[in-house]
Amino acid sequence: DGGITQSPKYLFRKEGQNVTLSCEQNLNHDAMYWYRQDPGQGLRLIYYSQIVNDFQKGDIAEGYSVSREKKESFPLTVTSAQKNPTAFYLCASTTRRLLLGNQPQHFGDGTRLSIL
Amino acid sequence: DQQVKQNSPSLSVQEGRISILNCDYTNSMFDYFLWYKKYPAEGPTFLISISSIKDKNEDGRFTVFLNKSAKHLSLHIVPSQPGDSAVYFCAASVAGGTSYGKLTFGQGTILTVHP
Repeated sequence: DGGITQSPKYLFRKEGQNVTLSCEQNLNHDAMYWYRQDPGQGLRLIYYSQIVNDFQKGDIAEGYSVSREKKESFPLTVTSAQKNPTAFYLCASTTRRLLLGNQPQHFGDGTRLSIL
Repeated sequence: DQQVKQNSPSLSVQEGRISILNCDYTNSMFDYFLWYKKYPAEGPTFLISISSIKDKNEDGRFTVFLNKSAKHLSLHIVPSQPGDSAVYFCAASVAGGTSYGKLTFGQGTILTVHP
């Protein structure tokens, strides 16, 4: 079955520690995205990548880093510079074949990050 | 600057009745709009979308209406079912270029459908 896999589902971070959230997709999608959701709020875009080896900052990129070495994978690192990392993190992907027109993003089931 | 707003945090509806969820936007460059449904601790699930060249799109019990002059869209669910109880997010994007697929989300509306 094709889909987006995020791991782990729950993650705990100590103060001053970097942690990496995994996102893998087997949908052959070109573009991948990372969002953050806080209680009572919508999703906010952290980083996105439309093609391998290229990515752009979203609206709240400070304290985060990403890489896109493979089409299937888009890991997100939450660095110690992110002062309020506790949140629900969601990864999404979509195809970028222009002949198909606009296509919706499909989401993984998220990773909940908490600070110890 | 909230470019996509869902002004009703919650909505309660009786089973079998119509649910109407509303969304307003400010960026006139948005040309693709989507509705997602989300359960707690899960990722959003895509429901329905509409392009700015249309004013209505229907898929089963779900219909999305777009009023470009008012910068307003709505999602109608008829008939509402208890399984529809979830948080609903509207989202918008600008097609093409480096912003392709970049979605801006509203804050969400919690829909509760009572049996």
